[in-house]
Amino acid sequence: GQQVMQIPQYQHVQEGEDFTTYCNSSTTLSNIQWYKQRPGGHPVFLIQLVKSGEVKKQKRLTFQFGEAKKNSSLHITATQTTDVGTYFCAGNAGNMLTFGGGTRLMVKP
Amino acid sequence: SAVISQKPSRDICQRGTSLTIQCQVDSQVTMMFWYRQQPGQSLTLIATANQGSEATYESGFVIDKFPISRPNLTFSTLTVSNMSPEDSSIYLCSVTEGVYNEQFFGPGTRLTVL
Repeated sequence: GQQVMQIPQYQHVQEGEDFTTYCNSSTTLSNIQWYKQRPGGHPVFLIQLVKSGEVKKQKRLTFQFGEAKKNSSLHITATQTTDVGTYFCAGNAGNMLTFGGGTRLMVKP
Repeated sequence: SAVISQKPSRDICQRGTSLTIQCQVDSQVTMMFWYRQQPGQSLTLIATANQGSEATYESGFVIDKFPISRPNLTFSTLTVSNMSPEDSSIYLCSVTEGVYNEQFFGPGTRLTVL
């Protein structure tokens, strides 16, 4: 079945440093979604990427979809304490959405 | 976006008992989903609940253990039956909505089984 891997599992950064999480799918995806889950909260949709090589930005967050539509990344520039949480990618293939394992981001003030 | 509520928000249950979790959406939706999130882990889809038909279960989940009801387009229940400590988890319902058919999640039910 479809598998979606995410690395790293955890990341500690100093406030102001950059952060990147990577997502890899075992199959070609029709689209990929990204979610953020704050500690004690539920996942909240951030963005969807559909096109090969697509890049989207949301303020300090940059999302990329690979040319082969099998991998994606989320990059946060100059992290802030409000960025703390777990970031999940979710790959969509054949109407099946599969979540990656998530990357837990911790930011030291 | 859909507003989803869940009851109870948390519960502590004894081994061998059952718990029914309710999910209410403020708009009519075709499909509702039930996920499990074990502590520090990702989200695993348990089943998809369509109104008027039986739920579709994912591999590793069976109806006898996780019976689901979907009586109308705004409501669903998930029952965790004959619980064991391994069932301790957060259970989330979700719906798809919006331009991207993104998932909107309820606040979750935190279940602890002793």
